[in-house]
Amino acid sequence: GAGVSQSPSNKVTEKGKDVELRCDPISGHTALYWYRQSLGQGLEFLIYFQGNSAPDKSGLPSDRFSAERTGGSVSTLTIQRTQQEDSAVYLCASSFQGSGGETGELFFGEGSRLTVL
Amino acid sequence: AQSVTQLGSHVSVSEGALVLLRCNYSSSVPPYLFWYVQYPNQGLQLLLKYTSAATLVKGINGFEAEFKKSETSFHLTKPSAHMSDAAEYFCAVTNLKRQLTFGSGTQLTVLP
Repeated sequence: GAGVSQSPSNKVTEKGKDVELRCDPISGHTALYWYRQSLGQGLEFLIYFQGNSAPDKSGLPSDRFSAERTGGSVSTLTIQRTQQEDSAVYLCASSFQGSGGETGELFFGEGSRLTVL
Repeated sequence: AQSVTQLGSHVSVSEGALVLLRCNYSSSVPPYLFWYVQYPNQGLQLLLKYTSAATLVKGINGFEAEFKKSETSFHLTKPSAHMSDAAEYFCAVTNLKRQLTFGSGTQLTVLP
């Protein structure tokens, strides 16, 4: 597809279960980001992948959260032993570093809405 | 360290009136600043960006923003609001790692 694709679009799970959220970035984009959007909390940076460099995991809120990016393309965000406070929309974005100048525009997916009961 | 403050979590304007959404930033290095818009149940879309060129930046849908270093501000404006402008707007700043730090967002309501 032409845009960033995320799946599932909606996920309802029970407290304590593990969940995996998938992001398929725009082809050729070297950078990939995960953000969390909670009601009234804005967007919270979680993790950033750039090429083959070690990811910036500084935003992950706890060790229950992890992410990987295979082959420099698809990324999976895993939340283990989910808690109710994990309920949020998880947004993925990608960019081609160097496009549009030094910063590069981020292209966002439509998000995965996670509800933990 | 960097941060963004958006003043006013909700703003209401009448159709045809001026839109002004406020953003102040804090950055230890020269910033790159962005405004994104999010329509209901959609991802974020870039409206405009400041990357140390012209201080007055024009974006899509008639929006513009002016970078004022002395005021550490990057307010978003549009001369005449349309109903289709109703959405949530996010201001963001980058650091040298190019990760964006977002403000908490401003929900814009346009009244008929």
